[in-house]
Amino acid sequence: GESVGLHLPTLSVQEGDNSIINCAYSNSASDYFIWYKQESGKGPQFIIDIRSNMDKRQGQRVTVLLNKTVKHLSLQIAATQPGDSAVYFCAEESVRDNAGNMLTFGGGTRLMVKP
Amino acid sequence: NAGVTQTPKFQVLKTGQSMTLQCAQDMNHNSMYWYRQDPGMGLRLIYYSASEGTTDKGEVPNGYNVSRLNKREFSLRLESAAPSQTSVYFCASSYRANTEAFFGQGTRLTVV
Repeated sequence: GESVGLHLPTLSVQEGDNSIINCAYSNSASDYFIWYKQESGKGPQFIIDIRSNMDKRQGQRVTVLLNKTVKHLSLQIAATQPGDSAVYFCAEESVRDNAGNMLTFGGGTRLMVKP
Repeated sequence: NAGVTQTPKFQVLKTGQSMTLQCAQDMNHNSMYWYRQDPGMGLRLIYYSASEGTTDKGEVPNGYNVSRLNKREFSLRLESAAPSQTSVYFCASSYRANTEAFFGQGTRLTVV
């Protein structure tokens, strides 16, 4: 079936470096994508989103890139800080016939920031 | 503003027992979702409700039922709990399509 997946389960970076977390999706009909951050013991928190009519969107220290040709999504975090240590998930929204929009998640990447 | 509230936060059940997980949102959102998250894994969609009065199966619906009681509340019921249903359950809501979903803090369920 359709799925959202990630290439790297764990990413370790030095404090101050930039981080890149990748995600592959398979549903070419998906038109909305979200990155979430999940800290231990908490629910996922929204970081940034992008619609399929865009290929790049920037927030504060974060940038999401969307490549629809290869169905690839990435999250870039600039000047990574210890507080960025968490698990990051990408999610895609797809439409089911007569059933509204469904939000499905990839497997997650754990980001570890070394001081 | 409470956002998405889930109860209970923790629960231990014996195999075969039933229980209902409650979820309420105060953001006037139309869509609501139930996910489960197993250790070291991503979130898998159990059921969702795109609008009040509708519910649909997600990726892993077997063993669960849901009720969209009204626009605010979306409950998840386990009729006969099994150890395989040991997990952390998250409820989420979103205003409409193509908008971010907000999550509750989760319910940690253990079935022994």
